[in-house]
Amino acid sequence: AQTVTQSQPEMSVQEAETVTLSCTYDTSESDYYLFWYKQPPSRQMILVIRQEAYKQQNATENRFSVNFQKAAKSFSLKISDSQLGDAAMYFCAYSAPQGGSEKLVFGKGTKLTVNP
Amino acid sequence: GAVVSQHPSWVICKSGTSVKIECRSLDFQATTMFWYRQFPKQSLMLMATSNEGSKATYEQGVEKDKFLINHASLTLSTLTVTSAHPEDSSFYICSATFHGRNTIYFGEGSWLTVV
Repeated sequence: AQTVTQSQPEMSVQEAETVTLSCTYDTSESDYYLFWYKQPPSRQMILVIRQEAYKQQNATENRFSVNFQKAAKSFSLKISDSQLGDAAMYFCAYSAPQGGSEKLVFGKGTKLTVNP
Repeated sequence: GAVVSQHPSWVICKSGTSVKIECRSLDFQATTMFWYRQFPKQSLMLMATSNEGSKATYEQGVEKDKFLINHASLTLSTLTVTSAHPEDSSFYICSATFHGRNTIYFGEGSWLTVV
């Protein structure tokens, strides 16, 4: 079974600084997707960034970028120029859409605090 | 972007009663919907996968007779918590996708409190 591990229950960063959230996963699949979701206090799940496993290039979305190391099964999220609005729970997730089903497996999450 | 709506956002019910939560895809036809449960300060746990017109596939440990899932149309899936007990109190969230899209859209979630 696929598993996703986030080893940092909590992280903090100063406003305008950079922070990296860690994620590792375990799978025997060769074709899969990896995601980072943000969950603010409202509980709405917000997609931050997505990476296709077959793409070697790391995905980026404005201040958010990932370091995808397929051989090491590592998928870390870097947040640059941190803003107060970045404070939230961050979940790493995995999906291997065999047969058209995008079932997500989530890590336990990392609570990010941004200090002014 | 695609929108998924859940209703109700908050519901309080008495122990022993049943409560229904709806998940609607507003601007696309969802071939597959997923139901998750999230306990306080914990991650999302998949309860079941629901494909339109067929029976839901439940994850191990989820009681299918207690958590009834119906996906009768391409835009609506419902989760019914039957004979609810206080331990069923939780945050329930659905997600939806359509075949080949490779993108998952989440609803806003529903808080259930059983008293």
